[in-house]
Amino acid sequence: QVQLVQSGAEVKKPGSSVKVSCKPSGGTFSNYAINWVRQAPGQGLEWMGGIIPIMDSTNYAQKFQGRVTITADESTTTAYMELSSLRSEDTAVYYCAKSGGTSWIFDYWGQGSLVTVSS
Amino acid sequence: DIQMTQSPSSLSASVGDRVTITCRASQSIAIFLNWYQQKPGKAPKLLIHTASTLQSGVPSRFSGSGSGTDFTLTISTLQPDDFGTYYCQHSYSTPITFGPGTKVDVK
Repeated sequence: QVQLVQSGAEVKKPGSSVKVSCKPSGGTFSNYAINWVRQAPGQGLEWMGGIIPIMDSTNYAQKFQGRVTITADESTTTAYMELSSLRSEDTAVYYCAKSGGTSWIFDYWGQGSLVTVSS
Repeated sequence: DIQMTQSPSSLSASVGDRVTITCRASQSIAIFLNWYQQKPGKAPKLLIHTASTLQSGVPSRFSGSGSGTDFTLTISTLQPDDFGTYYCQHSYSTPITFGPGTKVDVK
């Protein structure tokens, strides 16, 4: 059983950036991927992209290309999602979710991190 | 991008009822289809992957079927704890997309 622990809620100004962290229990990324999925208030789920840390391989949804950066620090076994040029529409709960490599089957999820973008 | 649709968008059913939710992909995705349950304020939970494989620990009243473009999630005997929103998601290729969700209320 893998637990994913995310960083806390953030309030950001429009135009700024936010960086959310996700740390799996167990002390290793093994060979799986960490994905980021967001959910705006009252809305559905939206995949943003993912990283396979052991391969340092990333994959982004076109919608977020150029604005999102997903990284992983193997020394601290922590994955990060940074979203820049924030606007009010980016207000959402951001989840990290584990998948087995490129299976894109999200079997474990973090608790979610609320990011509020407001002036 | 592969578009996912679901029907119905919401339903209300009684304990013990058989419930069926349908998901359709805009192109063939073979069996690369997964189902999640989400309760308010919580992260989604994987129920079924690759169309019909029950995730470990998920009650056997949940089942999935389908291939190609048309898929079904069935709850054979609805229980009070089955309320929530159910999402389908394809894992055929990136970008990964989810259906809009089906909200299930238990009467």
